[in-house]
Amino acid sequence: NAGVTQTPKFRVLKTGQSMTLLCAQDMNHEYMYWYRQDPGMGLRLIHYSVGEGTTAKGEVPDGYNVSRLKKQNFLLGLESAAPSQTSVYFCASSYLTEQYFGPGTRLTVT
Amino acid sequence: QQPVQSPQAVILREGEDAVINCSSSKALYSVHWYRQKHGEAPVFLMILLKGGEQKGHDKISASFNEKKQQSSLYLTASQLSYSGTYFCGTEEGGGNYQLIWGAGTKLIIKP
Repeated sequence: NAGVTQTPKFRVLKTGQSMTLLCAQDMNHEYMYWYRQDPGMGLRLIHYSVGEGTTAKGEVPDGYNVSRLKKQNFLLGLESAAPSQTSVYFCASSYLTEQYFGPGTRLTVT
Repeated sequence: QQPVQSPQAVILREGEDAVINCSSSKALYSVHWYRQKHGEAPVFLMILLKGGEQKGHDKISASFNEKKQQSSLYLTASQLSYSGTYFCGTEEGGGNYQLIWGAGTKLIIKP
């Protein structure tokens, strides 16, 4: 079992560029989450999904979009990147309670 | 609303004890505790679902006082491997599994 994987691990974008982060899990979990973590801070929920085909907004959804076309995949899109979106992005999945995290994607927007 | 964790940081000698607190201004359904080592992803420690519940995990235990809307994490006889940042995640509504995370408590264990 790979658990939760994230692609890519690192990315540098210029302001205004777009990109998609991919999260994949092989644990058949219903719930999936996208978080961002800024230096010295906790995690903030961007979007989440309670099942295939469903998504919902979290605490900080502005500037991001998500899709969950397949149960095992949860995509996070940035349509027009801004320097304020420089952060480490974590994906997580859960069955009920315990959340399993991916290794993270370090994104820098210049 | 983000729960408040205290202290922000603590430095211990190996073998010493520590207590990390997590307080919320809202009624809580559950409190989750995670540990994150530098450059890694958070890892689940435990979840507390009921008021007054106390759970243990090796020499790490936690309590949840539902009335006071707070939880405490207890690390006894700390080991070097306990170093990292500890986060509490609070769930306000039962069953939605959305967590609001504290800012973290950095724990440094010295030999």
